[in-house]
Amino acid sequence: QKEVEQDPGPLSVPEGAIVSLNCTYSNSAFQYFMWYRQYSRKGPELLMYTYSSGNKEDGRFTAQVDKSSKYISLFIRDSQPSDSATYLCAMSQFTGTASKLTFGTGTRLQVTL
Amino acid sequence: GAVVSQHPSWVICKSGTSVKIECRSLDFQATTMFWYRQFPKQSLMLMATSNEGSKATYEQGVEKDKFLINHASLTLSTLTVTSAHPEDSSFYICSARAGGRGNEQFFGPGTRLTVL
Repeated sequence: QKEVEQDPGPLSVPEGAIVSLNCTYSNSAFQYFMWYRQYSRKGPELLMYTYSSGNKEDGRFTAQVDKSSKYISLFIRDSQPSDSATYLCAMSQFTGTASKLTFGTGTRLQVTL
Repeated sequence: GAVVSQHPSWVICKSGTSVKIECRSLDFQATTMFWYRQFPKQSLMLMATSNEGSKATYEQGVEKDKFLINHASLTLSTLTVTSAHPEDSSFYICSARAGGRGNEQFFGPGTRLTVL
C-alpha cells in the first residue's frame, strides 16, 4: 500500500463547476499538507499549504484536512480552462531541517468550455 | 518571491556521456535542496536531499556514484548524471527550501533529459 493515495483521473468538468480533489494517507505522523499544480512539462507550483486539521481558503481554492480520517481535499470553485493541469498532494512529517515530502501520483484535471 | 531556476531546460546527449543540471534559488537562500525524477504520467520520486556544504543523502535505490550532487552554496546545487544511458531519460526537477519557512518547497521548472 502506498503511503499517499490519489486518484490519477483524468477528471473532466465543465467551466464554472466546483472541483473536488482528494488524497488519503496511511502515515498518521504527517502534519504538513500541501497541494501543488503542475502544468505539462513544468515544475510543480505550490497552491496551498496547511498544518494539521481544518480548512484554509485562498481565492477560489479551499484546502481541507481531516487528520482523524487521514483525508485531505482541495476544492476549486468556478473552475476555469486555465485550471487544467495535474494536481499533486504532498505531505510531510516535520523531522528537522531535511524533512521530506511524500507525493501522491497526481490527478489530471481538464476543464472544458 | 521564492523563485527557483533550472538550467538547462532540456538536453539531449549520447549514451555514455555526462550531463550537469544546475538548480538555483534566485531570491532566497536555500538551506536544503531536493532532486526529484518524474517519469511520464507518474509522480515525483525523491532522489536525494542536499544541504549546503555537506554530502547529499540519497534515497534507497538511487546510485550516488551515478547521480553526483554538489551543493556548493546557499543558492546553487548541481546534479550530474554520469555515464548516462537511455533509461536515465526523464524529467529532473529540483526544489529548494528556505530556512525558517517550514516545510514549503519551491520547485524549479524541470530539466528534460533525453539520452540517445
